[in-house]
Amino acid sequence: EAGVTQFPSHSVIEKGQTVTLRCDPISGHDNLYWYRRVMGKEIKFLLHFVKESKQDESGMPNNRFLAERTGGTYSTLKVQPAELEDSGVYFCASSQLAGVLGEQFFGPGTRLTVL
Amino acid sequence: SQQGEEDPQALSIQEGENATMNCSYKTSINNLQWYRQNSGRGLVHLILIRSNEREKHSGRLRVTLDTSKKSSSLLITASRAADTASYFCATDAPGYALNFGKGTSLLVTP
Repeated sequence: EAGVTQFPSHSVIEKGQTVTLRCDPISGHDNLYWYRRVMGKEIKFLLHFVKESKQDESGMPNNRFLAERTGGTYSTLKVQPAELEDSGVYFCASSQLAGVLGEQFFGPGTRLTVL
Repeated sequence: SQQGEEDPQALSIQEGENATMNCSYKTSINNLQWYRQNSGRGLVHLILIRSNEREKHSGRLRVTLDTSKKSSSLLITASRAADTASYFCATDAPGYALNFGKGTSLLVTP
């Protein structure tokens, strides 16, 4: 069974540019999460989808970040315009169940560098 | 706000030795999980311990949970070079998100 995949693995962009990250969850997992780890800090939750609906987007830092999950399959996270402090590793996770019973399976992450 | 916080931040040991990492958290939890991240790879789920459990084993891993002290420990016995990675504890947050700490960076030298 394929795990969570993310694309690209690395992205280097200049400040002010736009970047779109993609996450393909494990097939059949309705729950999809985005997290990010800024250098030297903890991994922080960004948002949670249940199918195509945003269940919780309390962790989204600001309106430069837009997440979508059209059709309830893969998800994209767009950063527009990117700022220096957006640099970090963006992880996607999926789970079949939500809440305390739902083990979250993580992808390899996308390392974003904003110059 | 940060929930889990690992200690130490970095740990260097030799193969065959045991490695112990600790995690403290602030609020009540339903369960606590430990994850490993190898360089350039994703987070791998190691073990989950529920709030009504005190100890759990999985292979060379042993996790304890003390809810009165709001702390957990991860013990890796007979460490191997392949155990070199960052280890994170994560607690469940309101909603369905996980709260992670900054992690412990473990280096196991041959």
